[in-house]
Amino acid sequence: KAGVTQTPRYLIKTRGQQVTLSCSPISGHRSVSWYQQTPGQGLQFLFEYFSETQRNKGNFPGRFSGRQFSNSRSEMNVSTLELGDSALYLCASSLTGVSYEQYFGPGTRLTVT
Amino acid sequence: KQEVTQIPAALSVPEGENLVLNCSFTDSAIYNLQWFRQDPGKGLTSLLLIQSSQREQTSGRLNASLDKSSGRSTLYIAASQPGDSATYLCAFKLIFGTGTRLQVFP
Repeated sequence: KAGVTQTPRYLIKTRGQQVTLSCSPISGHRSVSWYQQTPGQGLQFLFEYFSETQRNKGNFPGRFSGRQFSNSRSEMNVSTLELGDSALYLCASSLTGVSYEQYFGPGTRLTVT
Repeated sequence: KQEVTQIPAALSVPEGENLVLNCSFTDSAIYNLQWFRQDPGKGLTSLLLIQSSQREQTSGRLNASLDKSSGRSTLYIAASQPGDSATYLCAFKLIFGTGTRLQVFP
């Protein structure tokens, strides 16, 4: 069974630009969650999607948004990038939700210059 | 507000030692608890999931326990090996601990 995949793996953007990250969950998993990981703040929850609906949302500004498609693939978008958005962005999939076993992808390393 | 604390922040031990990593939480109305390991620059690998109705889970050399009354979970690693070197994180639903960085030297 294929694991969670994320594309791209590495990304360099300039301040003010926008970026879209993609996550393909494990086959059959309907929940996809996104996390931001930085050395200073650790792992922080961004949002969770389940069956194309946002079910939970963390404490991030509206510049961070996401969506989920009917095949459970998910995208995360960050607009008007700031230097502080540089981080490892991880997505995780689960059969039914974040309260259950989560499987993480390898992450997308975003650098904002 | 749920807070998750992991102690120690870092640990360096010789190969073969038995280890205990600690995870404390503040909200007693917990959900399932999951332990992960993360290798540098990589994603997280699930190690053990303890459901809120359970007291412990075991997988190979790993054993995780959950004590809701004291607000604590421990991850026990038996006979540590250099390949166990990684950062270990515990998580309750949406909240992750800051992790314990483990180094096992030969």
